[in-house]
Amino acid sequence: DQQVKQNSPSLSVQEGRISILNCDYTNSMFDYFLWYKKYPAEGPTFLISISSIKDKNEDGRFTVFLNKSAKHLSLHIVPSQPGDSAVYFCASGGTSYGKLTFGQGTILTVHP
Amino acid sequence: NAGVMQNPRHLVRRRGQEARLRCSPMKGHSHVYWYRQLPEEGLKFMVYLQKENIIDESGMPKERFSAEFPKEGPSILRIQQVVRGDSAAYFCASSPSEGWNQPQHFGDGTRLSIL
Repeated sequence: DQQVKQNSPSLSVQEGRISILNCDYTNSMFDYFLWYKKYPAEGPTFLISISSIKDKNEDGRFTVFLNKSAKHLSLHIVPSQPGDSAVYFCASGGTSYGKLTFGQGTILTVHP
Repeated sequence: NAGVMQNPRHLVRRRGQEARLRCSPMKGHSHVYWYRQLPEEGLKFMVYLQKENIIDESGMPKERFSAEFPKEGPSILRIQQVVRGDSAAYFCASSPSEGWNQPQHFGDGTRLSIL
C-alpha cells in the first residue's frame, strides 16, 4: 500500500531552467509534507516543508505547492543548478506522531 | 554544531550474528526516529523514541528487532540473528519535537551487509 507516490523515477533538466518534481498521496489524514534531497552515501537533507493549511511555501530557489483536493504536491526549483543533481524524496506526516511516510524518490540530473 | 551521528557507517555480519547500530541525535533533540531503506526504494519508518520511551514501533518487525533510547547515551537499533534480507541502509533522524515546522534531520546512515 504505497500511500506516497513519486511516479517519475528520473528527471533531466538543463542548468538555469525550472525543475518540477511531483508527488501524490492517498491518505487524507496527512497534514504536513516535506521534501528531502539525498546524495549517494549520505543521509537525506531537509529542503522545505508545508502544512496542509497552506497551498504554497517558498524558500529561495525552492517552492512547494500543495493541492489538497488532488492530493498532489510539487517541488519547483528555479533556476536549477548542477549541484541540485540528487535524489529527491517527498514525505508526509501527521497520521501518527513523528512517523514520516516517504515516496520512492526521483533522481534529478541538472546538465550544465 | 554536530549533526546526527551514526556509527558504524558500514557493518558486515554473517547470518545468525547480532547487529548493533548507534545513533546520537543533534544537540537539543530529544526525539529519535529509525528508518530503513532497501535498494531502489524509499525510506520506511521503523520506530520513534523519546528518552527511555518507545512512542511508535509500528514499522518494526515483530521478531529479532528492538530499539532503545536510554537516559544517557545514544539510541541503539539491535537486530538479532540477522538474515540476508536485513541488508539495507538504516537511517536515524532526530528532531526537537513533532510537527511540520520541526523537520527531522537525518544522519548519514549505517549500511548493513549480511554475508
